[in-house]
Amino acid sequence: DAKTTQPPSMDCAEGRAANLPCNHSTISGNEYVYWYRQIHSQGPQYIIHGLKNNETNEMASLIITEDRKSSTLILPHATLRDTAVYYCIVSFYNQGGKLIFGQGTELSVKP
Amino acid sequence: KAGVTQTPRYLIKTRGQQVTLSCSPISGHRSVSWYQQTPGQGLQFLFEYFSETQRNKGNFPGRFSGRQFSNSRSEMNVSTLELGDSALYLCASSLDYLGVTEAFFGQGTRLTVV
Repeated sequence: DAKTTQPPSMDCAEGRAANLPCNHSTISGNEYVYWYRQIHSQGPQYIIHGLKNNETNEMASLIITEDRKSSTLILPHATLRDTAVYYCIVSFYNQGGKLIFGQGTELSVKP
Repeated sequence: KAGVTQTPRYLIKTRGQQVTLSCSPISGHRSVSWYQQTPGQGLQFLFEYFSETQRNKGNFPGRFSGRQFSNSRSEMNVSTLELGDSALYLCASSLDYLGVTEAFFGQGTRLTVV
């Protein structure tokens, strides 16, 4: 079973920041938090991952709480092309390619 | 560089038949994972191969099997197809262990069993 809980859906206005929450209260000390997204009918796309510290790349920022029980993915300036299902996944560093997907959050970016 | 290539993109099979799906990973990637996606169950992990060895396996019946070749290309086979096997089958490749780099997914093979 997935170790994460995400809201099933969210809306965001185009150009605004999209903040997607994820609860992972049973995360263990050496498990990473990964975010992927899936645009309709395409394969999932990696976004970002982190262990303890906040991370940022060209796509998004990942904010992990100090107790690591929750995290937030931030898309700073959402566009219509960011409409997708976003998956938060907790996984060991050496899990060997095994991703356990939950139901994800369906993000709708509206004009 | 070329992404993960899955063939065929679409497939229609009859109950009881078997099917083989192919996945060519990104050059240099040695880990290949397979997933099944259905509207009811979402994305589910099938198995993962690394250097021709199955390293992880999900909770699927023995009708689902796979293999990896020395060039890292992978195939998955489903025997005695059932209607419930209709799904999008996704392949992902990564450089080594998941944590080293991200997993790159192909576009998938849409299998319809009639």
